[in-house]
Amino acid sequence: AQSVTQLGSHVSVSEGALVLLRCNYSSSVPPYLFWYVQYPNQGLQLLLKYTSAATLVKGINGFEAEFKKSETSFHLTKPSAHMSDAAEYFCAVSPRGGGGNKLTFGTGTQLKVEL
Amino acid sequence: DAGITQSPRYKITETGRQVTLMCHQTWSHSYMFWYRQDLGHGLRLIYYSAAADITDKGEVPDGYVVSRSKTENFPLTLESATRSQTSVYFCASSESRVLAGENEQFFGPGTRLTVL
Repeated sequence: AQSVTQLGSHVSVSEGALVLLRCNYSSSVPPYLFWYVQYPNQGLQLLLKYTSAATLVKGINGFEAEFKKSETSFHLTKPSAHMSDAAEYFCAVSPRGGGGNKLTFGTGTQLKVEL
Repeated sequence: DAGITQSPRYKITETGRQVTLMCHQTWSHSYMFWYRQDLGHGLRLIYYSAAADITDKGEVPDGYVVSRSKTENFPLTLESATRSQTSVYFCASSESRVLAGENEQFFGPGTRLTVL
């Protein structure tokens, strides 16, 4: 069975500082990997996804993530945080070779951006 | 309106009552999903559907029933609500391609359910 671990349920950064949100997966075969963002009182929206093309994936709002097979990681980064980035971020995996398109989510990381 | 909608957005009910949460999507996506979101658990899959009349259990199906007679609708019913079912419920949909696992899921705005 696949699983996802997000280290740090709360992360706080200063505006303009680097954002780093950590995600590690557990799967015998590298899965499809996703990062979703949830703003207050809203549903989730896709930031970016890894499907096996480039290992460095660029997403919306200046975010990017790098797939590292040796570390089973898919950490999310943004060079310079903005106040509007304050939200909850979820890492998710979907199995290759079947599985019905189901996503398994991590427990989420709440990002706070301070002035 | 185009997209994926959920109704009601907020619902308060009592233990033992039956509650149905509605989900409607206008994209004709094959796949639809129901998740619940609880603090410390992230989102957990309740049920999903690959097409009309095809449904399957997810991680936490107990106490819930789904049906899908039309592609665009995927209602979730709590047959006898319990306090442990107090949660935020999200519906999602996605296309069906050859490599299904890579498809993005599109989420509705959620229904906040409180069971007293």
